[in-house]
Amino acid sequence: ETGVTQSPTHLIKTRGQQVTLRCSSQSGHNTVSWYQQALGQGPQFIFQYYREEENGRGNFPPRFSGLQFPNYSSELNVNALELDDSALYLCASSLLGGGYEQYFGPGTRLTVT
Amino acid sequence: TQLLEQSPQFLSIQEGENLTVYCNSSSVFSSLQWYRQEPGEGPVLLVTVVTGGEVKKLKRLTFQFGDARKDSSLHITAAQPGDTGLYLCAEKYNFNKFYFGSGTKLNVKP
Repeated sequence: ETGVTQSPTHLIKTRGQQVTLRCSSQSGHNTVSWYQQALGQGPQFIFQYYREEENGRGNFPPRFSGLQFPNYSSELNVNALELDDSALYLCASSLLGGGYEQYFGPGTRLTVT
Repeated sequence: TQLLEQSPQFLSIQEGENLTVYCNSSSVFSSLQWYRQEPGEGPVLLVTVVTGGEVKKLKRLTFQFGDARKDSSLHITAAQPGDTGLYLCAEKYNFNKFYFGSGTKLNVKP
């Protein structure tokens, strides 16, 4: 059984650019959630994907978008990057209806200059 | 969603000491989870509590859910440097979505 993996580990972008982050869910899980964690804060829910469709969204603007693929892996896309987008981006996989457990990947550290 | 308040924000103690950290809300939790996050890594689930008054133990860690399900505590006995990390509480809402508190940053000095 493989755990949740994310790529890349670190990324530096310039304000106004676009970025794509990737997540492979844990084997057997069908749901992926994305979180943004600013320095010194707890993770904030961005959105969740289930069966390749968005299944709930937090308080983030439309320039944050995502995809889920048939193998349940997922992408987070952020357009028109702003300095405040600098954060650790975490994905978590779970089994919808399978209980309370979600398992996090190690995250992608995004720095916007 | 509701505001989860964690206290204290920071805690620095010597190895061997005991400590308690808290998670509070003005509303009732449906269920509550505790996570530990180490630098450069994602949060790792420690425990889920669901029933008011519930107490769960995980080695030297004791988790308590308030009777009214509006608060929870995590007590660590004889803390070790390996306990260092960010302790987060999270509430589950709407199927598999979770709302996190801002965490307690614990440093255990050898």
